[in-house]
Amino acid sequence: QLQLQESGPGLVKPSETLSLTCSVSGGSISSSSYHWGWIRQSPGRGLEWIGSLHYSGNTYYKPSLKSRVTISVDTSKNQFSLKLYSVSAADTAVYYCARHFMSVHNGSPNWFDPWGQGTLVTVSS
Amino acid sequence: QSVLTQPPSVSAAPGQRVTISCSGSSSNIGGNYVSWYQQLPGNAPKLLIYDNNERPSGIPDRFSGSKSGTSATLGITGLQTGDEADYFCGAWDSSLNVVAFGGGTKLTVL
Repeated sequence: QLQLQESGPGLVKPSETLSLTCSVSGGSISSSSYHWGWIRQSPGRGLEWIGSLHYSGNTYYKPSLKSRVTISVDTSKNQFSLKLYSVSAADTAVYYCARHFMSVHNGSPNWFDPWGQGTLVTVSS
Repeated sequence: QSVLTQPPSVSAAPGQRVTISCSGSSSNIGGNYVSWYQQLPGNAPKLLIYDNNERPSGIPDRFSGSKSGTSATLGITGLQTGDEADYFCGAWDSSLNVVAFGGGTKLTVL
């Protein structure tokens, strides 16, 4: 059974970089069939997709976050990571990683399953 | 403001049926596929429905999904107190190039 687990600092200072890692167990991140994504949830903004990647290195991000985000993969560790630069209080949220499926009908990004348990990141000095 | 619109809350009695709507546009629901997620209090979201109306293994058939035009609906029959949760819809938006989510609907089982 595939499981995902987020890890990283729970507190980040404003203007610094938020760094999180998602460890995948019970399956290979190098499967060509799946992508891997980051989603965050804050009380004021609901669920917000941040970006996703394929193990081959193909990445795609939410346009409004693209200038501040990097998602990368480490196949040797079966992990993928999120870096969010120049954070502010608005980036305070629970961050989830998840396996991301593409539609078999039109190839567009589709559903997330399973999700990690999530990790709360607070941006504060 | 979410790209997909859901009612903030719905309620029904145990054993009853409830539906949750998700309204969008031609660039998201109208042209792509809808997924639904259940988020129990304090937990991560869990996939309930994908590809508009498909249930993953392990999801009971009390849960169903449908789509018509630019709107989608999640149906839950035989309501149980354990179904009290937040429910979210999601779909790719081909114009905005984002995975869009609804704002979520809180289900109360009275």
